Amino acid sequence: NAGVTQTPKFQVLKTGQSMTLQCAQDMNHEYMSWYRQDPGMGLRLIHYSVGAGITDQGEVPNGYNVSRSTTEDFPLRLLSAAPSQTSVYFCASIDARGSGNTIYFGEGSWLTVV
Amino acid sequence: GESVGLHLPTLSVQEGDNSIINCAYSNSASDYFIWYKQESGKGPQFIIDIRSNMDKRQGQRVTVLLNKTVKHLSLQIAATQPGDSAVYFCAERPPPGNTGKLIFGQGTTLQVKP
Repeated sequence: NAGVTQTPKFQVLKTGQSMTLQCAQDMNHEYMSWYRQDPGMGLRLIHYSVGAGITDQGEVPNGYNVSRSTTEDFPLRLLSAAPSQTSVYFCASIDARGSGNTIYFGEGSWLTVV
Repeated sequence: GESVGLHLPTLSVQEGDNSIINCAYSNSASDYFIWYKQESGKGPQFIIDIRSNMDKRQGQRVTVLLNKTVKHLSLQIAATQPGDSAVYFCAERPPPGNTGKLIFGQGTTLQVKP
């Protein structure tokens, strides 16, 4: 059971380049999310999905696109990278069975935009 | 030792002492709360959760207290150990409820002195 797998772990981009952060989970969870974490700050929600084919915006969605074509995968796309998007990105898969929401995080993707 | 969230983002305690980490949440209608621990270079890990119909919940060496009147959450760690050194985040689940959407606080760094 791999849990939540994120790739790449490290990436350097030039301003204006595009890239996709991959996220996959093997726990058959319906809910998945992407967060970014800046130095000295908490996690901020970028986009989330409550199931295949359904996505919604979080707190800081600008500059990012997502899609959810399958339950397992939830890629995050940066169409035109900006230095302000330098951050650590965490993908999360949520076990929403019952009344709680236990989140399982990936190991993070460190992105630098120069 | 005790933190006061945004006003004291770093808490330093002696090994063996009890620690209290505080968090002020934002939405009075949030119905579910979680504490996470994040070690350097890793993704957040679940510690304990509590639903809004509870005031207190205990785990192994940890206790979460919820005061809905003042929108305050605290995490108590008994007999703090060096392995407890990390950043601790609280998270709340705002309405409409079971979407998997969680909003995280800024975080408090816990430093345990041997």
